[in-house]
Amino acid sequence: EVHLVQSGGGLVQPGGSLRLSCAGSGFTFSGYEMNWVRQAPGKGLEWIAYISSSGGSKFYADSLQGRFTISRDNAKSSLYLQMNSLGAEDTALYYCARGMGYYDPSWDYWGQGTLVTVSS
Amino acid sequence: SSELTQDPAVSVALGQTVRITCQGDSLITYYANWYQQKPTQAPVLVIYRKNNRPSGIPDRFSGSSSGNTASLTITGAQAEDEADYYCNSRDSGGNPAVFGGGTKLTVL
Repeated sequence: EVHLVQSGGGLVQPGGSLRLSCAGSGFTFSGYEMNWVRQAPGKGLEWIAYISSSGGSKFYADSLQGRFTISRDNAKSSLYLQMNSLGAEDTALYYCARGMGYYDPSWDYWGQGTLVTVSS
Repeated sequence: SSELTQDPAVSVALGQTVRITCQGDSLITYYANWYQQKPTQAPVLVIYRKNNRPSGIPDRFSGSSSGNTASLTITGAQAEDEADYYCNSRDSGGNPAVFGGGTKLTVL
């Protein structure tokens, strides 16, 4: 059975950094593209980052302004999101999601979500 | 980047049919996917690549598309279908994905 288990969220001060993790199991992690999606409180879903199966291709939402970095370690079946220079606008529930095909935004498995709160 | 537009809220009587729409220029070129999200839960893929249902999704859910508009139809809506529904597709501006703003479905 496919599982994506997230960790690493929490409370961080403005300007701080945080790293989110997403551990995959039940499938060949290295064969799938992965994404991060976030949802601010009471708001809709926002795609924020994509990484190819090898890690060689990455894309980011313009709204991140270069502050976040997506990465993966296929040997550990894990996906990461390094978040720097965090602001109140980054307060959200963050999800990892598995892609179903090449550069395809149909995502069949999602992590449970991890809450990031940016506040002093 | 492109945008996808959804009606904020739609309601349907129990057992009736409802259509939720998603409009945007990227849908002329790319397929739409649809996600269901219930309170405090992660999104669930209900329709992918315009009109395909993942395993376990009831066949009352179907998808279609015409021009720049994609639709999710629920035929015989059930109480458990009350949720937020989001469309997404590839972004015609080059990014892998863009979401619609979501539609809150109420089953009366």
